[in-house]
Formats: sequence, structure tokens, C-alpha cells
Amino acid sequence: EAGVAQSPRYKIIEKRQSVAFWCNPISGHATLYWYQQILGQGPKLLIQFQNNGVVDDSQLPKDRFSAERLKGVDSTLKIQPAKLEDSAVYLCASISAGSYEQYFGPGTRLTVT
Amino acid sequence: GEDVEQSLFLSVREGDSSVINCTYTDSSSTYLYWYKQEPGAGLQLLTYIFSNMDMKQDQRLTVLLNKKDKHLSLRIADTQTGDSAIYFCAEGPSGQNFVFGPGTRLSVLP
Repeated sequence: EAGVAQSPRYKIIEKRQSVAFWCNPISGHATLYWYQQILGQGPKLLIQFQNNGVVDDSQLPKDRFSAERLKGVDSTLKIQPAKLEDSAVYLCASISAGSYEQYFGPGTRLTVT
Repeated sequence: GEDVEQSLFLSVREGDSSVINCTYTDSSSTYLYWYKQEPGAGLQLLTYIFSNMDMKQDQRLTVLLNKKDKHLSLRIADTQTGDSAIYFCAEGPSGQNFVFGPGTRLSVLP
């Protein structure tokens, strides 16, 4: 079974630029999460999707962050415009219906200069 | 709100046992989890325990849960250099979400 795929693995941008990350969850996993992991900290939830609907986006900075999962499969997370404090690893995770086992992708390391 | 706390560093000698501790606040959590993160990688699910259990053993891993004190521990027997990583404790799902601790960096000395 293929794991959670994310791209790109690394991205360096200047502040005020835009960036987008892509995630393809494990096949059949209805629930998808985006997390932000700042260096030295645990992952912090940004947004949770159930199929193509948003379940929880209470911690998403909506003035600059957006995410979508249009067909209920893969998802994109966008930051526009980026700030220095957005430098972090962005992790995608997925979970199948009725399961409590969350599986993570390798992450995208974003550096904002 | 929900909070998960861990000590940040642990150093052990190869062959010894490692014990990583965690405290959490949300008594409604269904499961408590341990994840491992190696450099440049995502989080790998190691093991988890249902909240009405006291102990779970999985090969070299032993999880102990004290629900009264909201304390969770992970014991790694016969620790090897390949066990060097950051270990995250997590609780959930509360609602549908998971809350992670700050991670414990385990260093295994030869």
C-alpha cells in the first residue's frame, strides 16, 4: 500500500511570495489533515477535511492560508503572502473511516527568507 | 484547552531501556499514541493504547497508561542506535482531532 505522498519536499521563498503544497493521501482514506510543525515543536493542526468538506479550520490563519480538497482525494495548501514565521515543515496525514490510525507523509520543509 | 507535555531530552546507553514520559489533559481522549520522527521524515506511528487499557506490549515497546494521573509512558527495551529519534506523544481523537506533545529527543550512546 502506497503511503501519503507530498510535494515538493523542500521550498525556499522570499517573504510576501506565494507557495503551494500538494498532498495525496493513502487510497480510500476519507479524512485528511494538514499540520504545521515549527522546529522543535510538535505538529499543530491547521485544517481537517472529511472527503471534500472542511471539518475543522479553526486554527488556520485564513488571512493568508487556504486549502482545498475538491474531489475528496488529493489536497493543496496555499500560503499567500508568506511571512518569516511561516518557516516550518508542513505535514499531511490521512486516516480511514472508522480507524484511529493516522498516517503521515514525509512533509514539505518551507523556508521563508 | 487540551495540552500534552513531555520532557524534551533523554540520553541512554545502547542496550539499556529507555522510558519516555508524557502527561495529557483531555480525559475524553479515546486513544493515546506514540510516534517516532527521524531527521527529515514525517511521523511514524509506533503504537497506541485504548484509553481503558493499562498496558500494551509490542515487541520491544511497552506502553503504560495511568488514566487517573493522565500519565503515559513508552518503554523501549534493549535500546539501539537506530532508536535515536524524536518521540511524540499524542492524544485523540477529541472530536476528530489529535493533539501532539513537543517531542522527546532520544539519544542513544554507544
